[in-house]
Amino acid sequence: GENVEQHPSTLSVQEGDSAVIKCTYSDSASNYFPWYKQELGKRPQLIIDIRSNVGEKKDQRIAVTLNKTAKHFSLHITETQPEDSAVYFCAASISNSGYALNFGKGTSLLVTP
Amino acid sequence: EAQVTQNPRYLITVTGKKLTVTCSQNMNHEYMSWYRQDPGLGLRQIYYSMNVEVTDKGDVPEGYKVSRKEKRNFPLILESPSPNQTSLYFCASSPGTDTQYFGPGTRLTVL
Repeated sequence: GENVEQHPSTLSVQEGDSAVIKCTYSDSASNYFPWYKQELGKRPQLIIDIRSNVGEKKDQRIAVTLNKTAKHFSLHITETQPEDSAVYFCAASISNSGYALNFGKGTSLLVTP
Repeated sequence: EAQVTQNPRYLITVTGKKLTVTCSQNMNHEYMSWYRQDPGLGLRQIYYSMNVEVTDKGDVPEGYKVSRKEKRNFPLILESPSPNQTSLYFCASSPGTDTQYFGPGTRLTVL
């Protein structure tokens, strides 16, 4: 399928700092971009998503921005806390395949006290 | 409680012994899918289903089969498992709004 590139693969920040994870996608017809958080040993959980008709969406300390022209989107976490430590996955919808998603390879975020 | 369930949660088996991992959702979702998760590779889609009796291949379908005889169930079948199918498997369902809800995962080891 089409690729979703995610960077960085690992990210370490101090508690209270901001964390930014970036993704690029290749399918210009993608129109849905979710972010999932996966804690160790658990299932991926949706934390925020954005659709192609919106440039930015915010939910408390989490925000996502989308640049459709450049085909990239980013996750921003402000005022990070140790419980934000997890693996984060971005994804992009696959056109003409129902609700299928292409996932990035994940970013392991570590927030140190 | 709305949920996606998978069974078994853990399975150790041997090469060539047919197995089935069940997936069930109680949310009346039309869309269901199977992913495998491997270190450094993220989540890769195996098969998906838009509705009863409608299934299609994802990115890595080789060695797997699925069926969708009822809306709530979407079993994953490995007819002749091999060691390269050792992985963490997730089932997911969607109400048709793109948002996908994942099951708890099945950790499969094929010796």
